[in-house]
Amino acid sequence: DGGITQSPKYLFRKEGQNVTLSCEQNLNHDAMYWYRQDPGQGLRLIYYSQIVNDFQKGDIAEGYSVSREKKESFPLTVTSAQKNPTAFYLCASRWGETGELFFGEGSRLTVL
Amino acid sequence: GENVEQHPSTLSVQEGDSAVIKCTYSDSASNYFPWYKQELGKRPQLIIDIRSNVGEKKDQRIAVTLNKTAKHFSLHITETQPEDSAVYFCAAEDTGRRALTFGSGTRLQVQP
Repeated sequence: DGGITQSPKYLFRKEGQNVTLSCEQNLNHDAMYWYRQDPGQGLRLIYYSQIVNDFQKGDIAEGYSVSREKKESFPLTVTSAQKNPTAFYLCASRWGETGELFFGEGSRLTVL
Repeated sequence: GENVEQHPSTLSVQEGDSAVIKCTYSDSASNYFPWYKQELGKRPQLIIDIRSNVGEKKDQRIAVTLNKTAKHFSLHITETQPEDSAVYFCAAEDTGRRALTFGSGTRLQVQP
């Protein structure tokens, strides 16, 4: 089946720890995105990548890092510098510069 | 960058009534405007989109209208059903970043 796979689905982290969220797609999409979802605030763009080995900061990149070493993969690291990391994280991808954005099922991160 | 405002934040209608959700955007160069539906605990999914070369698009019970002069677009759902209950997000293409900027969402509740 073609699609976007995020893991883990649920993650608990202690304060001060870094955590990496996985995002893999087999849709042959060039562009990949990370969004954060908080209640009542919609989806906010963290990082995005239009092509392998290149990525740009979105609106709320502080405390996050990414890599894009392969077309299929775009992992997101939530570092200890992120002040309020508890949220629902959504990875997405699409073909070309405009068009339907396909989302993964999301990863819910809770900091204890 | 792009800024998208969405109203109302919550909307309650009786089954069979119509529902309208409105969005405004700031980037006059934006040319792609999708609408996503997110059911509780699930990923957002595209329900309809419109490009700047048309003013209206319909798909069965849903329609989207676009007014480029006023920089606003709207989602219309007719003959609402309980399964239409969800959170709806509008989005606009940030042409500078080639990424979607989302509104804050509208929680639609259809009362049987």
